[in-house]
Amino acid sequence: AQKITQTQPGMFVQEKEAVTLDCTYDTSDPSYGLFWYKQPSSGEMIFLIYQGSYDQQNATEGRYSLNFQKARKSANLVISASQLGDSAMYFCAMIIGSSNTGKLIFGQGTTLQVKP
Amino acid sequence: EAGVTQSPTHLIKTRGQQATLRCSPISGHTSVYWYQQALGLGLQFLLWYDEGEERNRGNFPPRFSGRQFPNYSSELNVNALELEDSALYLCASSLILEAFFGQGTRLTVV
Repeated sequence: AQKITQTQPGMFVQEKEAVTLDCTYDTSDPSYGLFWYKQPSSGEMIFLIYQGSYDQQNATEGRYSLNFQKARKSANLVISASQLGDSAMYFCAMIIGSSNTGKLIFGQGTTLQVKP
Repeated sequence: EAGVTQSPTHLIKTRGQQATLRCSPISGHTSVYWYQQALGLGLQFLLWYDEGEERNRGNFPPRFSGRQFPNYSSELNVNALELEDSALYLCASSLILEAFFGQGTRLTVV
């Protein structure tokens, strides 16, 4: 079964500290892509970072990095130097490349609160 | 460059009515996706349109339908609205792989 699991419903982090949001995935397809999105209270889904299953290096985008451990089927998001504006819901998502269904499979999300 | 735009931002309908939600993709993107996000739930895949054709649909009843126009914009129609259709409806567009989302339409059925 193709599935994304985010086991942390809620997380707290102190401003300026780093935080890791967990994501594990399940697929038998060798070709897939993993995404992280941020959803503030306004509702918009903001694309943060992408990792392809064949990418050798971990993806990084500014303060965001993706800790991709293929053997463990995990794709954790690391946010360095947390800011108050990082408080939001974070979703991990997967697309299966070979099946071309166009369907992004989302996890249940993790609510992150950054404390001053 | 303009992002994905959705209209209206908020929509209130009564049970049994029809709702029409609209989405304009990022210029050059040919694929449009619709997702439903009910309160407290994750995003559920609704529909995928590409090049004017419906390519895939999620596990939703036929009263959820839509179309994609020649300019790649899209409409989502929900007929015979039920209270549980109240949700945030998100549209996303994509050219190859990454999907960019709009701000959503919050539909409330009373």
